[in-house]
This record gives sequence, structure tokens and C-alpha cells, in this order.
Amino acid sequence: GEDVEQSLFLSVREGDSSVINCTYTDSSSTYLYWYKQEPGAGLQLLTYIFSNMDMKQDQRLTVLLNKKDKHLSLRIADTQTGDSAIYFCAGRVGQNFVFGPGTRLSVLP
Amino acid sequence: EAQVTQNPRYLITVTGKKLTVTCSQNMNHEYMSWYRQDPGLGLRQIYYSMNVEVTDKGDVPEGYKVSRKEKRNFPLILESPSPNQTSLYFCATWTGALGNEQFFGPGTRLTVL
Repeated sequence: GEDVEQSLFLSVREGDSSVINCTYTDSSSTYLYWYKQEPGAGLQLLTYIFSNMDMKQDQRLTVLLNKKDKHLSLRIADTQTGDSAIYFCAGRVGQNFVFGPGTRLSVLP
Repeated sequence: EAQVTQNPRYLITVTGKKLTVTCSQNMNHEYMSWYRQDPGLGLRQIYYSMNVEVTDKGDVPEGYKVSRKEKRNFPLILESPSPNQTSLYFCATWTGALGNEQFFGPGTRLTVL
């Protein structure tokens, strides 16, 4: 089955770009998602990418997908303190969603 | 407003005392799922349901039961909770259409002493 890996922690300075990386194992994943979890809250969808796309941009967010290496990244431009949260990568195969362990992003002033 | 609600939000209980965590959605979604979130492990699926009276095991179903008697509700039942079930639990719903994401409830933090 699908396995999704992420680094657990990332610290950046306010105003810099953040890049959160994710690798997955199942090449039949049709969609790949990025969710954000703020303290004490549930997960909220940030963005997603269809597996036949290489890149998707949405305001400050850029998602890059390298299908050959099964590597997904989320770039947040001009990172703000409000971006401090846990970010989850998830792969979808049919109706099965598999989540990575989450990357805790800390934004330093 | 589209919502997934969970109750209770916080629960402290003792080993062996049966409990139920409720999940309700108002989006008429066919699919519902329960996850537990543990540090460093991300979200692991406990059970999911494809529609009324149709449920299946996820990755970590041991010690849990579910039921889906109505489309909007998907309760999670712990018949005899143990300390290793101390965790943060999330309910999620989705339509099943490709591309559509899961919508999550606010979470239930359970502590079993």
C-alpha cells in the first residue's frame, strides 16, 4: 500500500520562503493533497494536485510534483507567523487517503 | 454552513469504561472515516464507511467499533478503552468524486487512564 514520508520539523524566518517536502511510494496515486493543521484544530485543505500535473500555483503556494521520483513539495512564499502549523501531505488511491506524519513549520520573527 | 461536528471535544476516562465519540456531517457525503493522530505517526485510518450500513476496517481497527445507521452520523465506539488508545481522533467526510478532498471535524482528544 501507499506510504508517505515527510521530515518532521522545519524552521524559517518571517519573510523567507518555506519548502516542505514529501515522498510517496504508490505511483497510482491519482491526487496528492496538502493539508494544514493549526493548534487545537482539524485539518484544512490548502491545495491539491492531480497526478498528471507537474506544478500548481495558488497565490503564495506552489506545489511541485516529480512523478519519476515520487516527490511532492509545497513552497510557501513570504512566510508569515500565521503560517506556523503542521503540514500534512496525503496521497489518494481510489477512496483510500494515506497521510504522512506531518511537518511542523515554525516561523521565527 | 458545511460542517463536520464531533462530540465530545475532550474526554478523560478510565480503562474499561465503554465510550462513544459521535461524528455528524451536514454535507450529504457518502464516505466517512475515523483517524487517530499520534506524534510522529501522522493520521492513521481506523474505520471508514462508503454509505449507510457499509463499513470497512482501516489500518488500525483493533479495539474500535463503528456503525453507520444514518448517512449523516458515524459514531466511533470503544467497548473497553485502554491507555494505548489515548490519542487525538478525527472524523472526516468526502463525496467520493475524484479530486474532492476530505473535510475534517475539529478533533476529540481522548485520555484513557
